[in-house]
Amino acid sequence: DTAVSQTPKYLVTQMGNDKSIKCEQNLGHDTMYWYKQDSKKFLKIMFSYNNKELIINETVPNRFSPKSPDKAHLNLHINSLELGDSAVYFCATLSGGRTGELFFGEGSRLTVL
Amino acid sequence: AQSVTQLGSHVSVSEGALVLLRCNYSSSVPPYLFWYVQYPNQGLQLLLKYTTGATLVKGINGFEAEFKKSETSFHLTKPSAHMSYAAEYFCAVTRNTNAGKSTFGDGTTLTVKP
Repeated sequence: DTAVSQTPKYLVTQMGNDKSIKCEQNLGHDTMYWYKQDSKKFLKIMFSYNNKELIINETVPNRFSPKSPDKAHLNLHINSLELGDSAVYFCATLSGGRTGELFFGEGSRLTVL
Repeated sequence: AQSVTQLGSHVSVSEGALVLLRCNYSSSVPPYLFWYVQYPNQGLQLLLKYTTGATLVKGINGFEAEFKKSETSFHLTKPSAHMSYAAEYFCAVTRNTNAGKSTFGDGTTLTVKP
Protein backbone atom coordinates (compact mmCIF):
# COMPACT_ATOMS: atom_id res chain seq x y z
CA ASP A 1 0.00 0.00 0.00
CA THR A 2 1.73 3.19 -1.22
CA ALA A 3 2.12 5.79 1.53
CA VAL A 4 2.01 8.83 -0.76
CA SER A 5 0.44 8.23 -4.14
CA GLN A 6 0.12 10.62 -7.06
CA THR A 7 -1.93 10.47 -10.21
CA PRO A 8 -1.28 10.66 -13.03
CA LYS A 9 2.33 9.56 -13.20
CA TYR A 10 2.77 11.01 -16.68
CA LEU A 11 0.93 13.87 -18.30
CA VAL A 12 1.52 15.22 -21.80
CA THR A 13 -0.54 18.21 -22.88
CA GLN A 14 -0.60 21.27 -25.10
CA MET A 15 0.21 24.84 -24.11
CA GLY A 16 -2.82 26.70 -22.85
CA ASN A 17 -4.60 23.65 -21.46
CA ASP A 18 -5.65 23.17 -17.84
CA LYS A 19 -4.61 20.06 -15.93
CA SER A 20 -4.75 18.61 -12.42
CA ILE A 21 -2.52 16.32 -10.41
CA LYS A 22 -3.87 14.48 -7.40
CA CYS A 23 -2.12 13.31 -4.25
CA GLU A 24 -3.32 11.03 -1.50
CA GLN A 25 -1.52 9.91 1.64
CA ASN A 26 -2.34 7.19 4.14
CA LEU A 27 0.28 8.13 6.73
CA GLY A 28 -2.03 10.28 8.81
CA HIS A 29 0.36 13.26 8.54
CA ASP A 30 -1.05 16.74 9.00
CA THR A 31 1.21 18.60 6.58
CA MET A 32 1.45 18.08 2.83
CA TYR A 33 3.53 19.78 0.14
CA TRP A 34 3.93 20.26 -3.54
CA TYR A 35 7.49 20.42 -4.86
CA LYS A 36 8.63 21.11 -8.41
CA GLN A 37 11.73 19.42 -9.82
CA ASP A 38 13.06 20.91 -13.03
CA SER A 39 15.13 19.30 -15.77
CA LYS A 40 18.33 19.96 -13.81
CA LYS A 41 16.89 18.08 -10.83
CA PHE A 42 16.59 21.24 -8.71
CA LEU A 43 13.86 20.90 -6.12
CA LYS A 44 11.72 23.85 -5.17
CA ILE A 45 8.89 24.01 -2.69
CA MET A 46 5.67 25.39 -4.10
CA PHE A 47 2.96 25.00 -1.48
CA SER A 48 2.35 23.56 1.93
CA TYR A 49 -0.93 22.70 3.63
CA ASN A 50 -1.40 21.89 7.27
CA ASN A 51 -4.67 20.17 8.05
CA LYS A 52 -6.34 21.64 4.95
CA GLU A 53 -5.00 25.15 5.60
CA LEU A 54 -2.49 26.80 3.25
CA ILE A 55 0.65 27.72 5.20
CA ILE A 56 3.34 28.15 2.54
CA ASN A 57 2.95 29.71 -0.88
CA GLU A 58 6.33 30.25 -2.47
CA THR A 59 5.89 32.90 -5.13
CA VAL A 60 4.17 30.57 -7.50
CA PRO A 61 2.17 32.05 -10.41
CA ASN A 62 -1.57 32.35 -9.84
CA ARG A 63 -2.11 29.78 -12.55
CA PHE A 64 -1.20 27.18 -9.94
CA SER A 65 -3.93 26.49 -7.41
CA PRO A 66 -3.64 23.86 -4.72
CA LYS A 67 -6.70 22.41 -3.03
CA SER A 68 -6.93 20.21 0.01
CA PRO A 69 -10.40 18.70 0.36
CA ASP A 70 -9.33 16.81 3.48
CA LYS A 71 -6.22 15.99 5.46
CA ALA A 72 -5.33 13.01 3.29
CA HIS A 73 -5.56 14.75 -0.08
CA LEU A 74 -3.76 17.62 -1.77
CA ASN A 75 -4.43 18.38 -5.40
CA LEU A 76 -2.70 20.76 -7.77
CA HIS A 77 -4.56 22.46 -10.58
CA ILE A 78 -2.66 24.33 -13.27
CA ASN A 79 -4.38 26.74 -15.66
CA SER A 80 -3.13 27.95 -19.03
CA LEU A 81 -0.13 25.67 -19.10
CA GLU A 82 3.16 27.07 -20.40
CA LEU A 83 6.27 25.37 -21.75
CA GLY A 84 8.15 26.29 -18.57
CA ASP A 85 5.71 24.30 -16.47
CA SER A 86 7.23 21.09 -17.81
CA ALA A 87 8.74 19.40 -14.78
CA VAL A 88 8.24 16.61 -12.31
CA TYR A 89 5.86 17.54 -9.52
CA PHE A 90 6.23 15.80 -6.20
CA CYS A 91 3.76 15.55 -3.41
CA ALA A 92 5.25 15.05 0.06
CA THR A 93 4.11 14.76 3.65
CA LEU A 94 5.82 15.77 6.85
CA SER A 95 6.29 13.26 9.63
CA GLY A 96 4.77 14.00 13.00
CA GLY A 97 6.70 15.74 15.74
CA ARG A 98 9.49 18.19 15.00
CA THR A 99 12.00 16.06 13.16
CA GLY A 100 11.11 17.34 9.71
CA GLU A 101 11.36 14.11 7.75
CA LEU A 102 9.58 14.23 4.40
CA PHE A 103 7.85 11.35 2.64
CA PHE A 104 7.63 11.77 -1.12
CA GLY A 105 5.34 10.39 -3.75
CA GLU A 106 6.80 8.98 -6.95
CA GLY A 107 6.21 12.15 -8.87
CA SER A 108 4.06 13.28 -11.79
CA ARG A 109 5.99 14.12 -14.93
CA LEU A 110 4.29 16.95 -16.80
CA THR A 111 5.31 17.68 -20.38
CA VAL A 112 3.86 20.75 -22.06
CA LEU A 113 4.16 20.82 -25.86
CA ALA B 1 17.47 32.10 6.75
CA GLN B 2 18.91 28.75 5.77
CA SER B 3 20.75 27.39 2.77
CA VAL B 4 22.55 24.29 1.59
CA THR B 5 25.51 23.93 -0.73
CA GLN B 6 26.42 20.59 -2.22
CA LEU B 7 29.96 20.65 -3.57
CA GLY B 8 30.19 18.76 -6.82
CA SER B 9 27.12 18.27 -8.95
CA HIS B 10 28.61 15.03 -10.29
CA VAL B 11 30.73 12.50 -8.42
CA SER B 12 32.11 9.40 -10.10
CA VAL B 13 33.74 6.55 -8.20
CA SER B 14 34.78 3.00 -8.97
CA GLU B 15 32.93 0.10 -7.47
CA GLY B 16 34.40 -0.67 -4.05
CA ALA B 17 35.84 2.81 -3.61
CA LEU B 18 34.91 5.31 -0.90
CA VAL B 19 31.90 7.48 -1.56
CA LEU B 20 32.09 11.04 -0.22
CA LEU B 21 29.34 13.53 -1.01
CA ARG B 22 29.81 16.98 0.45
CA CYS B 23 27.21 19.21 2.02
CA ASN B 24 27.65 22.55 3.77
CA TYR B 25 24.79 24.38 5.35
CA SER B 26 23.93 27.78 6.67
CA SER B 27 21.34 28.26 9.38
CA SER B 28 20.66 31.01 11.91
CA VAL B 29 19.37 28.47 14.43
CA PRO B 30 20.43 24.89 15.22
CA PRO B 31 19.60 22.89 12.15
CA TYR B 32 18.06 19.56 11.41
CA LEU B 33 20.00 17.98 8.52
CA PHE B 34 18.97 15.29 6.07
CA TRP B 35 20.26 13.27 3.18
CA TYR B 36 17.74 11.97 0.66
CA VAL B 37 18.36 9.65 -2.27
CA GLN B 38 16.44 9.67 -5.55
CA TYR B 39 16.69 6.69 -7.87
CA PRO B 40 15.70 7.18 -11.53
CA ASN B 41 12.00 7.86 -12.03
CA GLN B 42 11.28 7.69 -8.33
CA GLY B 43 10.57 10.08 -5.49
CA LEU B 44 13.07 11.03 -2.82
CA GLN B 45 13.53 8.76 0.16
CA LEU B 46 15.28 9.50 3.41
CA LEU B 47 18.78 8.06 3.84
CA LEU B 48 19.55 9.51 7.24
CA LYS B 49 19.02 12.54 9.43
CA TYR B 50 20.60 14.52 12.22
CA THR B 51 18.41 16.30 14.75
CA THR B 52 20.16 16.31 18.12
CA GLY B 53 22.53 14.07 20.06
CA ALA B 54 25.21 11.92 18.47
CA THR B 55 26.86 13.77 15.61
CA LEU B 56 27.68 10.64 13.61
CA VAL B 57 24.47 9.28 12.20
CA LYS B 58 23.93 6.03 10.36
CA GLY B 59 21.37 5.42 7.68
CA ILE B 60 20.18 2.77 5.30
CA ASN B 61 22.60 0.66 3.23
CA GLY B 62 25.54 1.53 5.47
CA PHE B 63 25.62 5.24 4.64
CA GLU B 64 26.84 7.59 7.36
CA ALA B 65 27.07 11.32 7.85
CA GLU B 66 28.76 13.42 10.48
CA PHE B 67 27.43 16.74 11.72
CA LYS B 68 30.33 19.13 12.24
CA LYS B 69 29.09 22.37 13.68
CA SER B 70 32.48 24.10 13.50
CA GLU B 71 32.68 23.39 9.78
CA THR B 72 28.93 23.75 9.13
CA SER B 73 29.15 20.47 7.24
CA PHE B 74 27.17 17.27 6.96
CA HIS B 75 29.10 15.11 4.49
CA LEU B 76 27.75 11.73 3.44
CA THR B 77 30.06 8.73 3.26
CA LYS B 78 29.93 5.09 2.32
CA PRO B 79 33.12 3.00 2.63
CA SER B 80 32.54 0.87 -0.46
CA ALA B 81 30.54 1.90 -3.51
CA HIS B 82 28.23 -0.45 -5.34
CA MET B 83 26.57 -0.06 -8.70
CA SER B 84 23.16 -0.02 -7.03
CA TYR B 85 24.04 3.24 -5.23
CA ALA B 86 24.11 5.22 -8.46
CA ALA B 87 21.45 7.88 -7.93
CA GLU B 88 20.83 11.54 -7.19
CA TYR B 89 21.59 12.58 -3.62
CA PHE B 90 20.13 15.63 -1.92
CA CYS B 91 21.19 17.32 1.28
CA ALA B 92 18.50 19.31 3.08
CA VAL B 93 18.31 21.59 6.11
CA THR B 94 15.35 22.49 8.29
CA ARG B 95 15.21 24.86 11.21
CA ASN B 96 14.45 23.05 14.41
CA THR B 97 11.98 25.80 15.26
CA ASN B 98 10.02 25.23 12.05
CA ALA B 99 10.46 21.68 10.93
CA GLY B 100 8.02 22.20 8.12
CA LYS B 101 10.12 24.04 5.59
CA SER B 102 13.14 22.20 4.26
CA THR B 103 15.69 23.81 1.98
CA PHE B 104 17.31 21.41 -0.47
CA GLY B 105 20.73 21.51 -2.06
CA ASP B 106 21.04 21.28 -5.83
CA GLY B 107 21.79 17.57 -5.68
CA THR B 108 24.80 15.41 -6.52
CA THR B 109 24.66 12.73 -9.17
CA LEU B 110 26.64 9.69 -8.09
CA THR B 111 27.97 7.45 -10.84
CA VAL B 112 29.59 4.13 -9.97
CA LYS B 113 31.96 2.64 -12.52
CA PRO B 114 32.48 -1.12 -12.71
